[in-house]
Amino acid sequence: AQSVTQLDSQVPVFEEAPVELRCNYSSSVSVYLFWYVQYPNQGLQLLLKYLSGSTLVKGINGFEAEFNKSQTSFHLRKPSVHISDTAEYFCAVRYSSASKIIFGSGTRLSIRP
Amino acid sequence: DAEITQSPRHKITETGRQVTLACHQTWNHNNMFWYRQDLGHGLRLIHYSYGVQDTNKGEVSDGYSVSRSNTEDLPLTLESAASSQTSVYFCASSESMGIGGDTQYFGPGTRLTVL
Repeated sequence: AQSVTQLDSQVPVFEEAPVELRCNYSSSVSVYLFWYVQYPNQGLQLLLKYLSGSTLVKGINGFEAEFNKSQTSFHLRKPSVHISDTAEYFCAVRYSSASKIIFGSGTRLSIRP
Repeated sequence: DAEITQSPRHKITETGRQVTLACHQTWNHNNMFWYRQDLGHGLRLIHYSYGVQDTNKGEVSDGYSVSRSNTEDLPLTLESAASSQTSVYFCASSESMGIGGDTQYFGPGTRLTVL
């Protein structure tokens, strides 16, 4: 079955520390991958996306993600987080054989001063 | 600026009542989606539409209906509200089914409580 898994429901990290949020999807020949961010009491907004080409994708607010086909992963990273990065992060995938996007269950990033 | 709005932002209703949540977008997007967000489940697709007069069921469509009479609006109706439908509802839109149209733009959400 087509699915996307975010292994960590919560990730606490200190301010200015690096962070990695993990995302894995079920194997497929061709996928399109997304990270969305949801700030408190707001809707989701696109952080970055991978459609094709370079496997390292840079997004807004200093985030980047790397597409790893052999490990079917699309982990999100930031070298130094800020208090303002406190939010919930959703990984999403669209399989080339499907028309809809599937969202992961989300990872809540909490930043400690 | 183009946007997507939802109303009401908060709604409390009683079991058995019919409820309609509004979604309006000014992006002129063909595709519109309704999701519900529940703790531990992320976003689950309720219904979606790829254009006027087109509607499709998502993974959790039971008890919900939509209609698409114009490009801008996709109202979501709960025929007979149940406590299990207490949730936060998000509307989203995207331009097309092509590669460039995959980005979805989300509304601010409607928090629905069914007592």
